[in-house]
Amino acid sequence: GDSVTQMEGPVTLSEEAFLTINCTYTATGYPSLFWYVQYPGEGLQLLLKATKADDKGSNKGFEATYRKETTSFHLEKGSVQVSDSAVYFCALSDRKNGGFKTIFGAGTRLFVKA
Amino acid sequence: DAMVIQNPRYQVTQFGKPVTLSCSQTLNHNVMYWYQQKSSQAPKLLFHYYDKDFNNEADTPDNFQSRRPNTSFCFLDIRSPGLGDAAMYLCATTTGVGTEAFFGQGTRLTVV
Repeated sequence: GDSVTQMEGPVTLSEEAFLTINCTYTATGYPSLFWYVQYPGEGLQLLLKATKADDKGSNKGFEATYRKETTSFHLEKGSVQVSDSAVYFCALSDRKNGGFKTIFGAGTRLFVKA
Repeated sequence: DAMVIQNPRYQVTQFGKPVTLSCSQTLNHNVMYWYQQKSSQAPKLLFHYYDKDFNNEADTPDNFQSRRPNTSFCFLDIRSPGLGDAAMYLCATTTGVGTEAFFGQGTRLTVV
Protein backbone atom coordinates (compact mmCIF):
# COMPACT_ATOMS: atom_id res chain seq x y z
CA GLY A 1 0.00 0.00 0.00
CA ASP A 2 0.87 3.65 -0.11
CA SER A 3 3.31 4.91 2.50
CA VAL A 4 5.36 7.93 3.48
CA THR A 5 8.78 7.83 5.12
CA GLN A 6 10.42 10.89 6.60
CA MET A 7 13.61 11.46 8.51
CA GLU A 8 13.49 10.87 12.22
CA GLY A 9 13.79 13.76 14.58
CA PRO A 10 14.20 15.70 16.57
CA VAL A 11 16.14 18.13 14.45
CA THR A 12 17.80 20.92 16.43
CA LEU A 13 19.11 23.99 14.60
CA SER A 14 20.29 27.44 15.47
CA GLU A 15 18.36 30.42 14.18
CA GLU A 16 19.19 31.29 10.55
CA ALA A 17 20.50 27.78 9.80
CA PHE A 18 19.50 25.87 6.66
CA LEU A 19 16.81 23.23 7.09
CA THR A 20 16.23 20.02 5.14
CA ILE A 21 13.71 17.37 6.16
CA ASN A 22 13.75 14.36 3.87
CA CYS A 23 10.57 12.65 2.71
CA THR A 24 10.10 9.74 0.34
CA TYR A 25 6.92 7.99 -0.64
CA THR A 26 5.59 4.84 -2.26
CA ALA A 27 2.37 4.94 -4.22
CA THR A 28 0.81 2.90 -6.98
CA GLY A 29 -0.99 5.87 -8.48
CA TYR A 30 -0.13 9.53 -8.99
CA PRO A 31 -0.58 11.12 -5.61
CA SER A 32 -0.57 14.72 -4.55
CA LEU A 33 2.07 15.53 -1.96
CA PHE A 34 1.86 17.82 1.04
CA TRP A 35 3.75 19.17 4.00
CA TYR A 36 1.71 19.93 7.10
CA VAL A 37 2.89 21.64 10.28
CA GLN A 38 1.58 21.02 13.79
CA TYR A 39 2.16 23.40 16.68
CA PRO A 40 1.80 22.12 20.26
CA GLY A 41 -1.78 21.25 21.19
CA GLU A 42 -3.13 22.15 17.77
CA GLY A 43 -4.41 20.41 14.68
CA LEU A 44 -2.43 20.20 11.47
CA GLN A 45 -2.10 23.12 9.07
CA LEU A 46 -1.17 22.89 5.42
CA LEU A 47 2.28 24.33 4.80
CA LEU A 48 2.64 23.63 1.06
CA LYS A 49 1.62 21.17 -1.62
CA ALA A 50 2.46 19.86 -5.10
CA THR A 51 0.04 17.98 -7.30
CA LYS A 52 2.24 16.64 -10.11
CA ALA A 53 5.81 15.78 -10.97
CA ASP A 54 8.30 18.69 -10.97
CA ASP A 55 5.84 21.02 -9.22
CA LYS A 56 7.40 23.14 -6.50
CA GLY A 57 5.32 24.07 -3.50
CA SER A 58 6.36 27.07 -1.45
CA ASN A 59 5.09 29.04 1.53
CA LYS A 60 6.61 31.18 4.30
CA GLY A 61 10.13 30.55 2.98
CA PHE A 62 9.67 26.76 2.88
CA GLU A 63 9.97 24.88 -0.41
CA ALA A 64 9.58 21.32 -1.65
CA THR A 65 9.76 19.87 -5.16
CA TYR A 66 7.81 16.80 -6.31
CA ARG A 67 10.46 14.43 -7.69
CA LYS A 68 8.82 11.46 -9.33
CA GLU A 69 12.09 9.86 -10.41
CA THR A 70 13.30 9.66 -6.81
CA THR A 71 9.81 9.50 -5.24
CA SER A 72 10.80 12.33 -2.92
CA PHE A 73 9.39 15.59 -1.58
CA HIS A 74 12.08 17.04 0.67
CA LEU A 75 11.28 20.15 2.70
CA GLU A 76 13.82 23.00 2.74
CA LYS A 77 14.16 26.46 4.22
CA GLY A 78 17.14 28.70 3.83
CA SER A 79 17.01 30.43 7.21
CA VAL A 80 14.91 29.06 10.06
CA GLN A 81 13.44 31.10 12.89
CA VAL A 82 12.55 30.19 16.45
CA SER A 83 8.89 30.43 15.44
CA ASP A 84 9.42 27.54 13.00
CA SER A 85 9.75 25.13 15.94
CA ALA A 86 6.99 22.56 15.40
CA VAL A 87 6.35 19.06 14.08
CA TYR A 88 6.38 18.68 10.31
CA PHE A 89 4.45 15.93 8.53
CA CYS A 90 4.92 14.82 4.96
CA ALA A 91 1.74 13.38 3.44
CA LEU A 92 0.26 12.04 0.24
CA SER A 93 -3.28 11.98 -1.02
CA ASP A 94 -4.52 9.42 -3.50
CA ARG A 95 -7.63 7.61 -4.57
CA LYS A 96 -7.79 4.04 -3.35
CA ASN A 97 -10.53 1.50 -4.02
CA GLY A 98 -13.09 4.20 -4.67
CA GLY A 99 -12.20 6.11 -1.53
CA PHE A 100 -9.90 9.03 -0.82
CA LYS A 101 -7.00 8.78 1.60
CA THR A 102 -4.46 11.15 3.03
CA ILE A 103 -1.56 9.23 4.56
CA PHE A 104 1.02 10.83 6.83
CA GLY A 105 4.64 10.18 7.61
CA ALA A 106 5.69 9.79 11.23
CA GLY A 107 6.52 13.48 11.63
CA THR A 108 9.78 15.30 12.32
CA ARG A 109 10.07 17.55 15.32
CA LEU A 110 12.10 20.71 14.72
CA PHE A 111 13.64 22.77 17.51
CA VAL A 112 15.16 26.12 16.59
CA LYS A 113 17.39 27.79 19.19
CA ALA A 114 17.86 31.54 19.40
CA ASP B 1 -13.00 32.06 11.27
CA ALA B 2 -12.74 28.40 12.18
CA MET B 3 -13.89 26.19 9.32
CA VAL B 4 -13.58 22.78 10.97
CA ILE B 5 -14.70 22.83 14.57
CA GLN B 6 -14.25 20.01 17.04
CA ASN B 7 -15.99 19.82 20.36
CA PRO B 8 -14.97 19.55 23.04
CA ARG B 9 -11.24 20.43 22.96
CA TYR B 10 -10.66 18.23 26.00
CA GLN B 11 -12.74 15.23 27.04
CA VAL B 12 -12.30 13.06 30.08
CA THR B 13 -14.23 9.81 30.18
CA GLN B 14 -14.32 6.78 32.43
CA PHE B 15 -12.99 3.42 31.38
CA GLY B 16 -15.76 1.59 29.52
CA LYS B 17 -18.15 4.55 29.43
CA PRO B 18 -19.34 5.45 25.91
CA VAL B 19 -18.17 8.79 24.61
CA THR B 20 -18.96 10.84 21.50
CA LEU B 21 -16.72 13.40 19.87
CA SER B 22 -18.16 15.85 17.37
CA CYS B 23 -16.92 17.67 14.30
CA SER B 24 -18.63 20.29 12.19
CA GLN B 25 -17.53 22.07 9.04
CA THR B 26 -18.60 25.21 7.20
CA LEU B 27 -16.71 24.34 4.01
CA ASN B 28 -19.35 22.09 2.43
CA HIS B 29 -16.65 19.52 1.68
CA ASN B 30 -17.61 16.07 0.50
CA VAL B 31 -15.03 14.14 2.47
CA MET B 32 -14.67 14.01 6.25
CA TYR B 33 -11.99 12.04 8.07
CA TRP B 34 -11.30 10.93 11.62
CA TYR B 35 -7.71 10.40 12.67
CA GLN B 36 -6.27 9.17 15.94
CA GLN B 37 -2.96 10.68 16.97
CA LYS B 38 -0.97 9.39 19.91
CA SER B 39 1.91 11.27 21.39
CA SER B 40 4.81 11.87 18.97
CA GLN B 41 3.20 9.73 16.27
CA ALA B 42 1.65 10.34 12.88
CA PRO B 43 -2.11 10.74 12.65
CA LYS B 44 -3.64 7.34 11.98
CA LEU B 45 -6.70 7.23 9.73
CA LEU B 46 -9.66 5.52 11.41
CA PHE B 47 -12.32 6.05 8.71
CA HIS B 48 -13.69 8.57 6.29
CA TYR B 49 -16.92 9.51 4.57
CA TYR B 50 -17.28 10.53 0.97
CA ASP B 51 -20.70 12.13 1.19
CA LYS B 52 -22.72 9.35 2.84
CA ASP B 53 -20.39 6.55 1.78
CA PHE B 54 -18.53 5.21 4.79
CA ASN B 55 -15.00 3.80 4.43
CA ASN B 56 -13.53 1.97 7.37
CA GLU B 57 -9.81 1.22 7.67
CA ALA B 58 -9.13 -2.48 8.01
CA ASP B 59 -7.31 -2.09 11.32
CA THR B 60 -9.79 0.27 13.00
CA PRO B 61 -11.13 -1.48 16.11
CA ASP B 62 -14.85 -2.30 16.24
CA ASN B 63 -14.99 -0.18 19.38
CA PHE B 64 -14.91 2.87 17.11
CA GLN B 65 -17.97 3.91 15.15
CA SER B 66 -18.88 6.97 13.16
CA ARG B 67 -22.00 8.80 12.02
CA ARG B 68 -22.48 11.51 9.45
CA PRO B 69 -26.09 12.73 9.64
CA ASN B 70 -25.53 15.52 7.11
CA THR B 71 -22.76 17.24 5.14
CA SER B 72 -21.78 19.51 8.02
CA PHE B 73 -21.51 17.12 10.93
CA CYS B 74 -19.59 13.96 11.70
CA PHE B 75 -19.39 12.09 15.01
CA LEU B 76 -16.92 9.63 16.45
CA ASP B 77 -18.41 7.18 18.94
CA ILE B 78 -16.19 5.10 21.17
CA ARG B 79 -18.40 2.41 22.64
CA SER B 80 -16.19 1.20 25.48
CA PRO B 81 -13.08 3.35 25.84
CA GLY B 82 -9.97 1.65 27.12
CA LEU B 83 -6.83 3.24 28.49
CA GLY B 84 -5.18 2.66 25.12
CA ASP B 85 -7.74 4.89 23.42
CA ALA B 86 -6.41 8.00 25.13
CA ALA B 87 -5.17 10.18 22.29
CA MET B 88 -5.78 13.31 20.26
CA TYR B 89 -8.61 12.79 17.78
CA LEU B 90 -8.44 14.91 14.66
CA CYS B 91 -11.24 15.64 12.23
CA ALA B 92 -10.40 16.79 8.72
CA THR B 93 -12.22 17.62 5.50
CA THR B 94 -11.34 17.76 1.82
CA THR B 95 -13.18 18.26 -1.43
CA GLY B 96 -11.57 15.11 -2.81
CA VAL B 97 -8.32 13.55 -3.88
CA GLY B 98 -5.40 15.85 -4.51
CA THR B 99 -6.73 18.68 -2.41
CA GLU B 100 -5.49 19.84 0.93
CA ALA B 101 -7.07 18.64 4.14
CA PHE B 102 -8.48 21.17 6.57
CA PHE B 103 -8.11 20.09 10.17
CA GLY B 104 -9.94 20.97 13.32
CA GLN B 105 -7.98 21.73 16.47
CA GLY B 106 -8.54 18.24 17.76
CA THR B 107 -10.12 16.72 20.85
CA ARG B 108 -7.75 15.35 23.45
CA LEU B 109 -9.37 12.33 25.07
CA THR B 110 -8.31 11.15 28.51
CA VAL B 111 -9.57 7.82 29.86
CA VAL B 112 -9.56 7.40 33.63
